[in-house]
Amino acid sequence: GQQLNQSPQSMFIQEGEDVSMNCTSSSIFNTWLWYKQDPGEGPVLLIALYKAGELTSNGRLTAQFGITRKDSFLNISASIPSDVGIYFCAGHTTGTASKLTFGTGTRLQVTL
Amino acid sequence: GAVVSQHPSWVICKSGTSVKIECRSLDFQATTMFWYRQFPKQSLMLMATSNEGSKATYEQGVEKDKFLINHASLTLSTLTVTSAHPEDSSFYICSASRGPGIPFGNGTRLTVT
Repeated sequence: GQQLNQSPQSMFIQEGEDVSMNCTSSSIFNTWLWYKQDPGEGPVLLIALYKAGELTSNGRLTAQFGITRKDSFLNISASIPSDVGIYFCAGHTTGTASKLTFGTGTRLQVTL
Repeated sequence: GAVVSQHPSWVICKSGTSVKIECRSLDFQATTMFWYRQFPKQSLMLMATSNEGSKATYEQGVEKDKFLINHASLTLSTLTVTSAHPEDSSFYICSASRGPGIPFGNGTRLTVT
């Protein structure tokens, strides 16, 4: 199945640093979503973006829906140890074939 | 709100047996549920879309006779892995359609020995 290209694949950062990751697609999506997955658990929604150009924040997280509707980025400011996990972007296709297409994931590790 | 519960959280079965996984929407009704499979260190791959009262829609390459999906009510979808083999060992995750956001269950770790 189709996957979205997500980068970087993994990153090690120090506590307090800012993090940026992005997601690109060859297809247009109506909605972009960012999820975090901890080991052995299902993904948890962080931010949902509903229209092109939209910039949305959720605490230390900020995400933007690209103007072309084919990309999105997620920023995490002042990272803390509990930010460790895998972050997935997902593009949502609505209509009769409604489904999510997931990115390849960014594994984040935070060192003290 | 919008909680999806998945059961069991883990299961070990012998090769050749069948395993049923349940996905329930606890506080809302879901006409559509989705089943994903995730191999270690990989992303979630959609297997099928489960529609209440009708046949599931399977993604290309997913065997519908091996992965049986039943969505008999607005709050329950089941995935049965029939004649399981070691290569079916994976993390299976469901989600339920409830507008943007689409909550996920906590996944089922299937190990086939």
